[in-house]
Amino acid sequence: ETGVTQTPRHLVMGMTNKKSLKCEQHLGHNAMYWYKQSAKKPLELMFVYSLEERVENNSVPSRFSPECPNSSHLFLHLHTLQPEDSALYLCASSQDRQPWNTGELFFGEGSRLTVL
Amino acid sequence: AQSVAQPEDQVNVAEGNPLTVKCTYSVSGNPYLFWYVQYPNRGLQFLLKYITGDNLVKGSYGFEAEFNKSQTSFHLKKPSALVSDSALYFCAVRDLRGGGSQGNLIFGKGTKLSVKP
Repeated sequence: ETGVTQTPRHLVMGMTNKKSLKCEQHLGHNAMYWYKQSAKKPLELMFVYSLEERVENNSVPSRFSPECPNSSHLFLHLHTLQPEDSALYLCASSQDRQPWNTGELFFGEGSRLTVL
Repeated sequence: AQSVAQPEDQVNVAEGNPLTVKCTYSVSGNPYLFWYVQYPNRGLQFLLKYITGDNLVKGSYGFEAEFNKSQTSFHLKKPSALVSDSALYFCAVRDLRGGGSQGNLIFGKGTKLSVKP
């Protein structure tokens, strides 16, 4: 138990569906992240939220839409995805994201997404 | 450029033997370095980190890593491998560039460790 919970753990969706991934952290952290993990590729940082404000979007397609209603919850809304979007989506949190903070990331167990 | 490299896609070790998983880095300034482990169908778990101080860092599950500034390396080691250590290992460096990316972790591509009985 890492203190970061992701639901659902597995999701299968068609290209025209709309679904959402949810992440909740119970660690009192104030920064949350979405990462994409595809086979044989490095972890890709998608979005970063600090104090509920989005501070980075690494050129992610608009079919992925994040939402951070408070410091404990993070969503990734999905619509009109492509088969190449199939991957493990990992949520993480940390105490701060400033460069002088040395805190590590705490990851959830991931949501395995398959797009048909 | 800020980056980490894990030169081996896979490392195979016999149980009881020492193991090393390699990582080299490229950063401007003092590096903040991390190791994470990912077991099958799980998220990443923090193992250890180097910020400053002693070059030999001890972490979870008996792992340790040695920071070598002259070789820009941060290799992960364990004196005696267990079958249960079989997993995917990621090295990471904190991005110290300015702008929106500042403070984020840059991950290597991962090394699969396989420990056989």
